[in-house]
Amino acid sequence: QKEVEQNSGPLSVPEGAIASLNCTYSDRGSQSFFWYRQYSGKSPELIMSIYSNGDKEDGRFTAQLNKASQYVSLLIRDSQPSDSATYLCAVLFHNAGNMLTFGGGTRLMVKP
Amino acid sequence: EAGVAQSPRYKIIEKRQSVAFWCNPISGHATLYWYQQILGQGPKLLIQFQNNGVVDDSQLPKDRFSAERLKGVDSTLKIQPAKLEDSAVYLCASSSPRGNTGELFFGEGSRLTVL
Repeated sequence: QKEVEQNSGPLSVPEGAIASLNCTYSDRGSQSFFWYRQYSGKSPELIMSIYSNGDKEDGRFTAQLNKASQYVSLLIRDSQPSDSATYLCAVLFHNAGNMLTFGGGTRLMVKP
Repeated sequence: EAGVAQSPRYKIIEKRQSVAFWCNPISGHATLYWYQQILGQGPKLLIQFQNNGVVDDSQLPKDRFSAERLKGVDSTLKIQPAKLEDSAVYLCASSSPRGNTGELFFGEGSRLTVL
Protein backbone atom coordinates (compact mmCIF):
# COMPACT_ATOMS: atom_id res chain seq x y z
CA GLN A 1 0.00 0.00 0.00
CA LYS A 2 1.47 3.31 -1.11
CA GLU A 3 0.98 5.94 1.58
CA VAL A 4 1.38 9.69 1.87
CA GLU A 5 1.14 11.18 5.34
CA GLN A 6 0.46 14.77 6.40
CA ASN A 7 -0.45 16.47 9.66
CA SER A 8 -4.08 17.53 9.31
CA GLY A 9 -3.59 20.78 11.27
CA PRO A 10 -4.89 23.36 11.42
CA LEU A 11 -1.58 25.16 11.17
CA SER A 12 -2.09 28.74 12.23
CA VAL A 13 0.47 31.43 11.34
CA PRO A 14 0.33 35.24 11.52
CA GLU A 15 0.30 37.28 8.34
CA GLY A 16 3.82 37.83 7.03
CA ALA A 17 5.28 34.73 8.71
CA ILE A 18 6.70 31.60 7.07
CA ALA A 19 4.35 28.62 6.91
CA SER A 20 6.02 25.20 6.83
CA LEU A 21 4.03 22.20 5.62
CA ASN A 22 5.42 18.67 5.77
CA CYS A 23 4.76 15.34 4.10
CA THR A 24 6.23 11.84 4.29
CA TYR A 25 5.74 8.98 1.84
CA SER A 26 6.21 5.24 1.93
CA ASP A 27 7.92 4.31 -1.34
CA ARG A 28 11.63 4.94 -1.87
CA GLY A 29 11.18 4.44 -5.61
CA SER A 30 8.93 7.47 -6.03
CA GLN A 31 10.33 10.11 -8.37
CA SER A 32 7.72 12.86 -8.67
CA PHE A 33 6.19 15.00 -5.94
CA PHE A 34 3.52 17.67 -6.02
CA TRP A 35 1.78 20.22 -3.86
CA TYR A 36 -1.85 21.06 -4.57
CA ARG A 37 -3.83 23.84 -2.92
CA GLN A 38 -7.55 23.39 -2.22
CA TYR A 39 -9.71 26.27 -1.08
CA SER A 40 -12.81 25.38 0.92
CA GLY A 41 -15.53 24.09 -1.40
CA LYS A 42 -13.22 24.16 -4.43
CA SER A 43 -11.17 21.62 -6.36
CA PRO A 44 -7.43 21.06 -5.94
CA GLU A 45 -5.07 23.11 -8.09
CA LEU A 46 -1.40 22.38 -8.70
CA ILE A 47 1.00 24.93 -7.22
CA MET A 48 4.41 23.18 -7.17
CA SER A 49 6.15 20.10 -8.50
CA ILE A 50 9.60 18.78 -7.54
CA TYR A 51 11.54 15.87 -8.96
CA SER A 52 15.07 15.99 -7.51
CA ASN A 53 16.61 16.41 -4.08
CA GLY A 54 17.01 19.94 -2.82
CA ASP A 55 14.97 23.10 -3.05
CA LYS A 56 12.79 24.52 -5.80
CA GLU A 57 11.57 28.08 -5.52
CA ASP A 58 8.61 29.72 -7.27
CA GLY A 59 7.74 33.18 -6.00
CA ARG A 60 6.79 32.93 -2.31
CA PHE A 61 6.71 29.12 -2.46
CA THR A 62 9.65 26.77 -1.93
CA ALA A 63 9.37 23.00 -2.22
CA GLN A 64 12.02 20.87 -0.53
CA LEU A 65 12.70 17.20 -1.23
CA ASN A 66 14.81 14.69 0.68
CA LYS A 67 14.47 11.28 -0.93
CA ALA A 68 16.74 9.53 1.58
CA SER A 69 14.39 10.57 4.38
CA GLN A 70 11.28 10.16 2.18
CA TYR A 71 10.26 13.67 3.09
CA VAL A 72 8.91 16.60 1.11
CA SER A 73 7.95 20.02 2.42
CA LEU A 74 6.43 23.29 1.26
CA LEU A 75 7.46 26.67 2.65
CA ILE A 76 5.28 29.72 2.09
CA ARG A 77 7.09 32.98 2.78
CA ASP A 78 5.30 36.22 3.68
CA SER A 79 2.06 34.30 4.29
CA GLN A 80 -1.12 36.13 3.32
CA PRO A 81 -4.71 35.55 4.46
CA SER A 82 -5.42 34.48 0.87
CA ASP A 83 -3.04 31.52 1.42
CA SER A 84 -5.53 30.07 3.91
CA ALA A 85 -6.48 26.73 2.36
CA THR A 86 -5.80 23.01 2.60
CA TYR A 87 -2.48 21.94 1.09
CA LEU A 88 -2.37 18.45 -0.37
CA CYS A 89 0.89 16.58 -0.87
CA ALA A 90 0.79 14.13 -3.78
CA VAL A 91 3.28 11.47 -4.84
CA LEU A 92 3.47 9.73 -8.20
CA PHE A 93 4.25 6.08 -7.52
CA HIS A 94 5.92 5.00 -10.75
CA ASN A 95 6.05 1.32 -9.88
CA ALA A 96 2.31 1.25 -9.23
CA GLY A 97 1.05 2.14 -12.67
CA ASN A 98 1.89 5.83 -12.32
CA MET A 99 -0.77 6.29 -9.69
CA LEU A 100 -0.95 9.76 -8.11
CA THR A 101 -1.65 9.33 -4.39
CA PHE A 102 -2.69 12.22 -2.19
CA GLY A 103 -2.11 12.78 1.48
CA GLY A 104 -4.95 13.86 3.74
CA GLY A 105 -3.96 17.51 3.52
CA THR A 106 -2.89 20.15 6.01
CA ARG A 107 -5.25 23.03 6.70
CA LEU A 108 -3.41 26.35 6.86
CA MET A 109 -4.89 29.43 8.50
CA VAL A 110 -3.14 32.76 8.05
CA LYS A 111 -4.37 35.32 10.56
CA PRO A 112 -4.28 39.06 9.75
CA GLU B 1 -8.88 26.71 -23.19
CA ALA B 2 -11.95 25.09 -21.62
CA GLY B 3 -11.38 23.24 -18.35
CA VAL B 4 -12.64 19.88 -17.17
CA ALA B 5 -16.43 19.85 -17.21
CA GLN B 6 -18.49 17.83 -14.74
CA SER B 7 -22.18 17.37 -14.09
CA PRO B 8 -24.29 17.42 -12.07
CA ARG B 9 -22.68 19.69 -9.46
CA TYR B 10 -24.95 18.43 -6.70
CA LYS B 11 -27.03 15.30 -6.23
CA ILE B 12 -29.08 14.09 -3.28
CA ILE B 13 -30.41 10.51 -3.33
CA GLU B 14 -31.75 7.91 -0.95
CA LYS B 15 -29.60 4.90 -0.08
CA ARG B 16 -29.98 2.00 -2.51
CA GLN B 17 -30.79 4.39 -5.37
CA SER B 18 -28.47 4.86 -8.34
CA VAL B 19 -26.62 7.91 -9.61
CA ALA B 20 -24.40 8.76 -12.56
CA PHE B 21 -21.79 11.47 -12.98
CA TRP B 22 -20.43 12.76 -16.26
CA CYS B 23 -17.03 14.25 -17.08
CA ASN B 24 -15.55 15.86 -20.19
CA PRO B 25 -11.77 16.35 -19.95
CA ILE B 26 -9.63 19.08 -21.43
CA SER B 27 -9.36 18.62 -25.17
CA GLY B 28 -6.42 16.43 -26.10
CA HIS B 29 -5.84 15.05 -22.62
CA ALA B 30 -5.41 11.30 -22.92
CA THR B 31 -5.52 10.43 -19.23
CA LEU B 32 -8.70 10.79 -17.19
CA TYR B 33 -9.17 10.12 -13.48
CA TRP B 34 -12.05 9.79 -11.07
CA TYR B 35 -11.24 10.60 -7.44
CA GLN B 36 -13.50 10.34 -4.40
CA GLN B 37 -13.01 12.98 -1.71
CA ILE B 38 -14.78 12.45 1.58
CA LEU B 39 -15.10 15.56 3.77
CA GLY B 40 -11.87 16.22 5.66
CA GLN B 41 -9.83 13.71 3.65
CA GLY B 42 -7.56 13.84 0.64
CA PRO B 43 -8.76 12.66 -2.79
CA LYS B 44 -8.71 8.89 -3.27
CA LEU B 45 -8.21 7.50 -6.77
CA LEU B 46 -11.09 5.32 -7.96
CA ILE B 47 -10.13 4.73 -11.57
CA GLN B 48 -7.62 5.95 -14.13
CA PHE B 49 -8.11 5.75 -17.91
CA GLN B 50 -5.52 6.14 -20.64
CA ASN B 51 -7.53 6.93 -23.77
CA ASN B 52 -10.41 4.42 -23.44
CA GLY B 53 -8.44 1.74 -21.57
CA VAL B 54 -8.35 1.25 -17.80
CA VAL B 55 -4.89 1.77 -16.27
CA ASP B 56 -5.84 1.30 -12.63
CA ASP B 57 -9.13 0.51 -10.89
CA SER B 58 -7.75 -1.27 -7.86
CA GLN B 59 -9.61 1.02 -5.41
CA LEU B 60 -12.94 1.03 -7.24
CA PRO B 61 -15.64 -0.87 -5.28
CA LYS B 62 -16.65 -2.91 -8.26
CA ASP B 63 -19.73 -4.42 -6.62
CA ARG B 64 -21.43 -1.01 -6.79
CA PHE B 65 -19.27 1.38 -8.82
CA SER B 66 -18.67 1.28 -12.55
CA ALA B 67 -17.01 3.66 -14.96
CA GLU B 68 -16.55 3.87 -18.68
CA ARG B 69 -14.82 6.11 -21.14
CA LEU B 70 -16.23 5.38 -24.55
CA LYS B 71 -14.34 6.78 -27.56
CA GLY B 72 -11.55 7.95 -25.26
CA VAL B 73 -13.09 11.33 -24.51
CA ASP B 74 -15.84 11.84 -21.94
CA SER B 75 -16.51 9.47 -19.07
CA THR B 76 -19.34 8.35 -16.82
CA LEU B 77 -19.08 7.10 -13.23
CA LYS B 78 -22.08 5.19 -11.88
CA ILE B 79 -22.98 4.08 -8.38
CA GLN B 80 -25.67 1.42 -7.94
CA PRO B 81 -26.89 0.89 -5.27
CA ALA B 82 -25.61 3.83 -3.24
CA LYS B 83 -24.68 3.54 0.42
CA LEU B 84 -24.51 6.24 3.09
CA GLU B 85 -20.69 6.08 3.04
CA ASP B 86 -20.67 7.07 -0.64
CA SER B 87 -21.50 10.65 0.37
CA ALA B 88 -18.52 12.57 -1.00
CA VAL B 89 -17.34 14.86 -3.76
CA TYR B 90 -16.49 13.00 -6.95
CA LEU B 91 -13.66 14.75 -8.73
CA CYS B 92 -12.80 14.20 -12.36
CA ALA B 93 -9.34 15.21 -13.56
CA SER B 94 -7.32 14.97 -16.72
CA SER B 95 -3.65 15.26 -17.59
CA SER B 96 -1.62 16.10 -20.66
CA PRO B 97 -1.18 14.07 -23.83
CA ARG B 98 2.11 12.86 -22.38
CA GLY B 99 0.21 10.69 -19.94
CA ASN B 100 0.20 10.79 -16.18
CA THR B 101 2.86 13.29 -15.20
CA GLY B 102 1.17 14.00 -11.89
CA GLU B 103 0.07 17.42 -13.13
CA LEU B 104 -3.67 17.06 -12.98
CA PHE B 105 -6.40 19.51 -13.91
CA PHE B 106 -9.54 19.02 -11.85
CA GLY B 107 -13.14 19.76 -12.62
CA GLU B 108 -15.38 21.49 -10.08
CA GLY B 109 -16.58 18.17 -8.72
CA SER B 110 -19.94 16.51 -8.19
CA ARG B 111 -21.12 16.56 -4.58
CA LEU B 112 -23.20 13.48 -3.66
CA THR B 113 -25.32 13.25 -0.54
CA VAL B 114 -26.83 9.85 0.27
CA LEU B 115 -29.67 9.94 2.80
